[in-house]
Amino acid sequence: DAKTTQPNSMESNEEEPVHLPCNHSTISGTDYIHWYRQLPSQGPEYVIHGLTSNVNNRMASLAIAEDRKSSTLILHRATLRDAAVYYCILRDVTSGTYKYIFGTGTRLKVLA
Amino acid sequence: DAGVIQSPRHEVTEMGQEVTLRCKPISGHNSLFWYRQTMMRGLELLIYFNNNVPIDDSGMPEDRFSAKMPNASFSTLKIQPSEPRDSAVYFCASSRAEHNEQFFGPGTRLTVL
Repeated sequence: DAKTTQPNSMESNEEEPVHLPCNHSTISGTDYIHWYRQLPSQGPEYVIHGLTSNVNNRMASLAIAEDRKSSTLILHRATLRDAAVYYCILRDVTSGTYKYIFGTGTRLKVLA
Repeated sequence: DAGVIQSPRHEVTEMGQEVTLRCKPISGHNSLFWYRQTMMRGLELLIYFNNNVPIDDSGMPEDRFSAKMPNASFSTLKIQPSEPRDSAVYFCASSRAEHNEQFFGPGTRLTVL
């Protein structure tokens, strides 16, 4: 499976935008990019996913580089509730199995 | 919708005892996933079912672990006999279909003494 690389931790001020990077230089053409987050003492929560085009939803935006070797999760206005571990995961839809392989993620700290 | 329901939320047991973790997926979801999370190994997929059939159990650590899904609304993960190294948070997740986003339950924190 292609792997992702994320910074261990990041900090942001409340109500400011946050850009969480993810590198996936060995991504294949059939790998979707998924983002989940895990708030303290909770199970992971789906955030967003995409293949080639940038994606927006009510939680965040996903910007995918043209060569797809990296992507950025954008939280437009961070709140204290966004403090969590953010996981960037690749999943190959042609592999015959739909399992996620979670890495260590980025721990986001939001400062009031 | 109540979301994915897991029970118990906390379990403390002694080494050698049998442990059964339970999960009720979201109604209408056809895929169910069992994960384990520890500080050392992070979040690992143990097994997943699609339409009640086990599809990928490559993450099940050893024969002491077994999982069943007798119907679309219930699954169990059993550890027999339990060992201290099984101490972890066990999450159950469900999705409408295999390729859809997964919804996670609150987890069961297992401590084996």
